[in-house]
Amino acid sequence: GEDVEQSLFLSVREGDSSVINCTYTDSSSTYLYWYKQEPGAGLQLLTYIFSNMDMKQDQRLTVLLNKKDKHLSLRIADTQTGDSAIYFCAESTDTGTASKLTFGTGTRLQVTL
Amino acid sequence: DVKVTQSSRYLVKRTGEKVFLECVQDMDHENMFWYRQDPGLGLRLIYFSYDVKMKEKGDIPEGYSVSREKKERFSLILESASTNQTSMYLCASTRTNRNEQYFGPGTRLTVT
Repeated sequence: GEDVEQSLFLSVREGDSSVINCTYTDSSSTYLYWYKQEPGAGLQLLTYIFSNMDMKQDQRLTVLLNKKDKHLSLRIADTQTGDSAIYFCAESTDTGTASKLTFGTGTRLQVTL
Repeated sequence: DVKVTQSSRYLVKRTGEKVFLECVQDMDHENMFWYRQDPGLGLRLIYFSYDVKMKEKGDIPEGYSVSREKKERFSLILESASTNQTSMYLCASTRTNRNEQYFGPGTRLTVT
């Protein structure tokens, strides 16, 4: 079945760049997503990339996709304390009735002063 | 804005009780999902529904059932709660042919 892996924890200093990595196994995924979960809240969609793209930039966020290696990354430029959260990558799988998302374990980003 | 609401933010139940978790979305989405979130395990799909009265099992359906009598409402039922069902439960919805899911705030359920 599908499997999505992430490292569990990342600590960066305020103002530095953060890079959160993700590997996935389903080569038929059409879209890959990054979600953010702040403490005590549900998941918020940050950005997504279509599988035929290599890169997508959205303000401070840059998503890189290496389809050959099934590797996805999220770069946050000029990381702020408000970026402290858990970040989940997810891949979509078409079941024929509805598109399911398979989520990684989540990476907890800690931003220090 | 899409809004997904869940009936409770925190819930404490006893072992063996029947538990209902309610989810409502206001954007006329066809698809709705229930996940549980546990530390180190990420989100795991319990059940999903792609239409009224339609449901499909996710990856971990054992011990759960669901009900979708109206398009906007998707209920998760724990027939006989057990301590290993203590978790954060998240509901999500999406439109057909769109993959991005919109999440509710979650219900933290504790079974004692």
